[in-house]
Amino acid sequence: GAGVSQTPSNKVTEKGKYVELRCDPISGHTALYWYRQSLGQGPEFLIYFQGTGAADDSGLPNDRFFAVRPEGSVSTLKIQRTERGDSAVYLCASSLFGGATGELFFGEGSRLTVL
Amino acid sequence: QQPVQSPQAVILREGEDAVINCSSSKALYSVHWYRQKHGEAPVFLMILLKGGEQKGHEKISASFNEKKQQSSLYLTASQLSYSGTYFCGTIGGSQGNLIFGKGTKLSVKP
Repeated sequence: GAGVSQTPSNKVTEKGKYVELRCDPISGHTALYWYRQSLGQGPEFLIYFQGTGAADDSGLPNDRFFAVRPEGSVSTLKIQRTERGDSAVYLCASSLFGGATGELFFGEGSRLTVL
Repeated sequence: QQPVQSPQAVILREGEDAVINCSSSKALYSVHWYRQKHGEAPVFLMILLKGGEQKGHEKISASFNEKKQQSSLYLTASQLSYSGTYFCGTIGGSQGNLIFGKGTKLSVKP
């Protein structure tokens, strides 16, 4: 498809488990963003990649959260020792160049529920 | 620094106008506006760069007052399809991450 693809669309896990969320951006987009959105709130910034490197990871809440983009395309958000407070919709977005003038294209999100 | 949006919610009748405001406590390079319908991903509306340029998208337009670090989104003659939550996002420099406000929920009734 031509859009941003996120898998899984839904993930239910137990407290303490490890979770991986995948994002497949639009082909050719160099910038990739991860956001977290709780009900009734705006998207909360987590991390921003330019190519393979994390340009800004200041939004990652703690060291249980980690993200990679090894080949500058697909990205994986990894959450260790999940907690109930991690439950949210995790949104991925890509942009052709990123930065101040780059329109973001969002995926449909991965809904994570931690029991 | 998260931008502040106002109002938090608006209810309109079809055909009425609305203004949504977005302000920041720090200098801005650009302001982005997105709309999100319930259960869907946010969708891009427009970007405004510093310089005060006003942009338009059909009957939705926006302005950016760089000096006041504010942007406003203007919805004219609202349609039922305008319902959703509107988010502004701000970037402090030419590079960097986009920080979103908490959103303004717009409901347009027939």
